[in-house]
Amino acid sequence: DAKTTQPPSMDCAEGRAANLPCNHSTISGNEYVYWYRQIHSQGPQYIIHGLKNNETNEMASLIITEDRKSSTLILPHATLRDTAVYYCIVRSYTGTASKLTFGTGTRLQVTL
Amino acid sequence: DARVTQTPRDKVTEMGQEVTMRCQPILGHNTVFWYRQTMMQGLELLAYFRNRAPLDDSGMPKDRFSAEMPDATLATLKIQPSEPRDSAVYFCASGLLWTSGDPSANTGELFFGEGSRLTVL
Repeated sequence: DAKTTQPPSMDCAEGRAANLPCNHSTISGNEYVYWYRQIHSQGPQYIIHGLKNNETNEMASLIITEDRKSSTLILPHATLRDTAVYYCIVRSYTGTASKLTFGTGTRLQVTL
Repeated sequence: DARVTQTPRDKVTEMGQEVTMRCQPILGHNTVFWYRQTMMQGLELLAYFRNRAPLDDSGMPKDRFSAEMPDATLATLKIQPSEPRDSAVYFCASGLLWTSGDPSANTGELFFGEGSRLTVL
């Protein structure tokens, strides 16, 4: 799976949009971009994923650049409960199954 | 709500003892993963199964760790003998991953359990 690069930490004021960047310059054509988050001491939680089109769900939006070398996760109105470590992962569907390999992620701190 | 269940939630043991962690995946999921998390190494993939068959256990120390799925409702991770460096939180995750054809047929989302915190003294 392709390597991803994320800033180690970010701050965001409550109520504002949190924009979390991710670089995946070596991504290949059959690899999806996934975002998970881990709130302190809990298991990771799926947020969203995409291949090349922008995606939106009830939790967040995912913007993938046209060349697919980077993406941004957007939490439109961050709350204190969004404080967590956010992991950007690229993952292929080749073979009979595919790994989900976590990097170091971005620690998002939402403040009042 | 369907969820992945892990036991025990917390385990303290002495070096050299056998430790078994159990995971009940979500019914109908075809893939089970075991991860280990420490402050130093982050989330490491230890092993994963598809349709109960082990696909990759390259992340697991083979001499002391073993992972099995005796049936579709139970996955186990065993450490024998345990060492202090095995102290970590062990997560199990299950998912219904793409099996063939259109990869958009499912999200490939993994559902994680709450973890088993292991302390080896």
